[in-house]
Amino acid sequence: KAGVTQTPRYLIKTRGQQVTLSCSPISGHRSVSWYQQTPGQGLQFLFEYFSETQRNKGNFPGRFSGRQFSNSRSEMNVSTLELGDSALYLCASSSDRAVTGELFFGEGSRLTVL
Amino acid sequence: KQEVTQIPAALSVPEGENLVLNCSFTDSAIYNLQWFRQDPGKGLTSLLLIQSSQREQTSGRLNASLDKSSGRSTLYIAASQPGDSATYLCAVRPYGNAGNMLTFGGGTRLMVKP
Repeated sequence: KAGVTQTPRYLIKTRGQQVTLSCSPISGHRSVSWYQQTPGQGLQFLFEYFSETQRNKGNFPGRFSGRQFSNSRSEMNVSTLELGDSALYLCASSSDRAVTGELFFGEGSRLTVL
Repeated sequence: KQEVTQIPAALSVPEGENLVLNCSFTDSAIYNLQWFRQDPGKGLTSLLLIQSSQREQTSGRLNASLDKSSGRSTLYIAASQPGDSATYLCAVRPYGNAGNMLTFGGGTRLMVKP
């Protein structure tokens, strides 16, 4: 069974540009969450999508947005990039049918903003 | 607001030693607690998940315990090996309609020396 797949794995952008990251969850998982990891702030929750609807949202500015498609794949977008957006962006999926609520993460997309 | 703390931030031990990693949280109203491992530049690998009603979970050389009333969890690693070198993170999921909005600790960076 394939795990959580994130693309691209690495990307470099300049300030002011925008970026779109993609996440394909484990087959059968309907919940997709996004996290940002930086050396200074650690892992922080961005947002979660379930059945194409945003279920929860973290404390990030409106430049960070996301969506989920009918096949549960998700994308997140960051507009008007700032140097501080450089981070590892992690996607995680879970099956709401599972009583455990275990979260499974992808390898991440490392974004560098110059 | 939930806060999760992991002490120590870094740990270096000789191969074969048994060790304990600590995780503490301020709000005991949690649904479950999950331990992860992260290798440099990689995503998170789920190690153990403990439901709030459980006291401990075991997987191979790993044993995680949970004391909700005191807001503490420990991850015990028996007979450590160089391959165990990684950063270990704990995360809590709150009760209520918070979905997969986990709060993470800052992690413990473990180095096991041959």
